[in-house]
Amino acid sequence: EVQLVDTGGGLIQPGGSLRLSCAVSGFTVNANDMSWVRQAPGKGLEWVSVIYKGDDTTYYADSVKGRFTISRDNSKNTVYLQMNSLRAEDQAIYYCTRLHYYYMDIWGKGTTVTVSS
Amino acid sequence: EIVLTQSPGTLSLSPGERATLSCRASQSVSSSFLSWYQQKPGQAPRLLIHDASTRASGIPDRFSGSGSGTDFTLTISRLEPEDFAVYYCQQYGRSLLTFGGGTKVEIK
Repeated sequence: EVQLVDTGGGLIQPGGSLRLSCAVSGFTVNANDMSWVRQAPGKGLEWVSVIYKGDDTTYYADSVKGRFTISRDNSKNTVYLQMNSLRAEDQAIYYCTRLHYYYMDIWGKGTTVTVSS
Repeated sequence: EIVLTQSPGTLSLSPGERATLSCRASQSVSSSFLSWYQQKPGQAPRLLIHDASTRASGIPDRFSGSGSGTDFTLTISRLEPEDFAVYYCQQYGRSLLTFGGGTKVEIK
């Protein structure tokens, strides 16, 4: 069964760090482009980051560039989002997705990040 | 960066009516790069349409997408109770992705 299980969310103080994980089953992460999308409470969807297959090229939204890092561990078939210097505006549900060509065809259920002191 | 503007923000309709949702891009978008998603409360988004007009697997044919250049449309021919949700368009360009702000389709 094709499935993305995103975990690692929680309560973190401003300025802190958190690493989100996306465990993949049903396909291999190294043969697919993978992405993270977030949704702040009561707001719309915001694309966060993507890692492309092959050369592992990564891209980020301006709002997280320099603070977030996307990576993958092929041996664990898992994608990660390392989030540093967290701010109140980073508070959101974070969804792991598979980027198939130019659209996101598979989504995780999401993991919630709360940034508060 | 390409900005997507969706209108209206909220659409109030009755079951059985036709819904027409608009997504306008700040620059021309290849039709291959425009997609639509549906999100219900408490759930992750679900892919509805890709390549502007191709329904994703399992999507009923009452959903259709059209458009080109800077103007794209999602049409729901006859609203079913399960179609009341928020809809987002998304584009891909120069390795980056953006979403529109969403249109909420609510029961009138």
